Amino acid sequence: GDSVTQMEGPVTLSEEAFLTINCTYTATGYPSLFWYVQYPGEGLQLLLKATKADDKGSNKGFEATYRKETTSFHLEKGSVQVSDSAVYFCALFNGANNLFFGTGTRLTVIP
Amino acid sequence: NAGVTQTPKFQVLKTGQSMTLQCAQDMNHEYMSWYRQDPGMGLRLIHYSVGAGITDQGEVPNGYNVSRSTTEDFPLRLLSAAPSQTSVYFCASSEVGTGAYEQYFGPGTRLTVT
Repeated sequence: GDSVTQMEGPVTLSEEAFLTINCTYTATGYPSLFWYVQYPGEGLQLLLKATKADDKGSNKGFEATYRKETTSFHLEKGSVQVSDSAVYFCALFNGANNLFFGTGTRLTVIP
Repeated sequence: NAGVTQTPKFQVLKTGQSMTLQCAQDMNHEYMSWYRQDPGMGLRLIHYSVGAGITDQGEVPNGYNVSRSTTEDFPLRLLSAAPSQTSVYFCASSEVGTGAYEQYFGPGTRLTVT
């Protein structure tokens, strides 16, 4: 079945460091891919999306490129801030009614 | 716009008790869903609805009931709570036309069953 595998956490970085959180997927057909972010004590928010191969989603300095050849959608940011501390979820939509989420990666950014 | 609201924020139940988690949205979204979030397991879909009067099961539906009598409300019922249902529950909604992926999440309900 369809699934998402996400980099295990937690990840701790110093402010202004480069961030990569790996995400790979398994799906039949041509899924859409997403990154959601969950700040402490809150629900999830859509961070960025890509709906077809080679699309790049971007928002708030974060980027992810839909790579069909490697079935990946890695999240990157060039310079993280303390305010980026959160849990990040990779997700897949397979054209039916449901999203499939990865297990989440907790990011802590220290000053 | 309040978005997606959930009540209560916290709840403690004893094994065997029943309760209803409330979810409401004011965005006129047709699609609504319930997830549970457990450590190391991400979010798992419990039930979802694509419109009033229409519901369907997700990945982990056992022990939960839902109904959708209006567009705005999508309550989740626990009929006989068990410790395995200790979790954080999120309600979400989206427009059906977006393919149900641009979901708006509520703030969650933290449930403990003793």
